[in-house]
Amino acid sequence: DQQVKQNSPSLSVQEGRISILNCDYTNSMFDYFLWYKKYPAEGPTFLISISSIKDKNEDGRFTVFLNKSAKHLSLHIVPSQPGDSAVYFCAARGEYGNKLVFGAGTILRVKS
Amino acid sequence: EPEVTQTPSHQVTQMGQEVILRCVPISNHLYFYWYRQILGQKVEFLVSFYNNEISEKSEIFDDQFSVERPDGSNFTLKIRSTKLEDSAMYFCASYRMGIGGYTFGSGTRLTVV
Repeated sequence: DQQVKQNSPSLSVQEGRISILNCDYTNSMFDYFLWYKKYPAEGPTFLISISSIKDKNEDGRFTVFLNKSAKHLSLHIVPSQPGDSAVYFCAARGEYGNKLVFGAGTILRVKS
Repeated sequence: EPEVTQTPSHQVTQMGQEVILRCVPISNHLYFYWYRQILGQKVEFLVSFYNNEISEKSEIFDDQFSVERPDGSNFTLKIRSTKLEDSAMYFCASYRMGIGGYTFGSGTRLTVV
């Protein structure tokens, strides 16, 4: 099941610069998208979400962009901080039912 | 901030034994879920629960698995006869439709030996 793909297993960014994490999906029936941050041995922590009727949502340093025609979303973190170092998961919810389908995750390392 | 609480944090069990993983969802949430993450793999959906019944389950959630909400606050996942391949982190999550994200617990690491 590859409905949600995060093709970059890892990303390394300098402190203060922008981090851009990407996610692609194949199911056009997804109506809600979420980004989660996860530290080892902890549960995923909700960061930000976007409905399929929008193309941008912003919350502090985090902005999510949705390009429905390309079935692509991205998470921008600016400025990046060392505490942002974690695994970031993209997740999507289908039109029917409300389970989340997760991508494989991207490890973000922010270097100071 | 309201939390989803999971116990135990780590459970080691012999193959073939029954285990019960426990969760206390956020009190005004209506939807409850179990997910799991095998080491190095994706977070996978197991089952969703709404209005005191299963609303959706994955192919992973076979007859060895069951869920209950016995007392209106706890939400449990039972594995009747554990297998080595059940070793994983199990996450409980809850959600109140229309508000924010799904809130996950910190997980139970299940090790089957």
